[in-house]
Amino acid sequence: DARVTQTPRHKVTEMGQEVTMRCQPILGHNTVFWYRQTMMQGLELLAYFRNRAPLDDSGMPKDRFSAEMPDATLATLKIQPSEPRDSAVYFCASGYTIQGDEQYFGPGTRLTVT
Amino acid sequence: SQQGEEDPQALSIQEGENATMNCSYKTSINNLQWYRQNSGRGLVHLILIRSNEREKHSGRLRVTLDTSKKSSSLLITASRAADTASYFCATRGISGGYNKLIFGAGTRLAVHP
Repeated sequence: DARVTQTPRHKVTEMGQEVTMRCQPILGHNTVFWYRQTMMQGLELLAYFRNRAPLDDSGMPKDRFSAEMPDATLATLKIQPSEPRDSAVYFCASGYTIQGDEQYFGPGTRLTVT
Repeated sequence: SQQGEEDPQALSIQEGENATMNCSYKTSINNLQWYRQNSGRGLVHLILIRSNEREKHSGRLRVTLDTSKKSSSLLITASRAADTASYFCATRGISGGYNKLIFGAGTRLAVHP
């Protein structure tokens, strides 16, 4: 049963610290998405990769956030320095553009910045 | 602003009843998708309906799409306690190039035994 995995599942950190979230997309998928979910804003797209190339990161605060795909099995989202307003659940999702349009979500990383 | 807006925001029903959730959107779409999210979990894809389709079924799910009214509905028949979750509609636009999937705010469904 192929799944998207994310680590860590929970992260509590102090303001100013660097946070790195990791995602392993489903093997064979060629698209990867990073979303942020909060009660106030709902689900927001932060970044989108196709075949490991970043295609859209317009939803991401550029000064502190960065997203990369070092290889096809790993996507990372970094926040440096973190701020309390970054507290949210961060989801990674993957998909395969040829087979269908649906996205498969990971379990999320719940980030709390104090 | 969000493309899809779900209605109602929250719905509470008894097991065995049908649950209907609605989604309205603003711009022309390529397709519309429904996702479910259980508390503390990631979203799960339920069903996709393309702009040239009017109705689609999957098990106890029935989705309709009215492009003239820019609206869609999700019907869950014979609901179960396990259907308790938040349901989101998401739309894919049709403009040239990449169109990101835009999610609505969701409907929280509670099914009571």
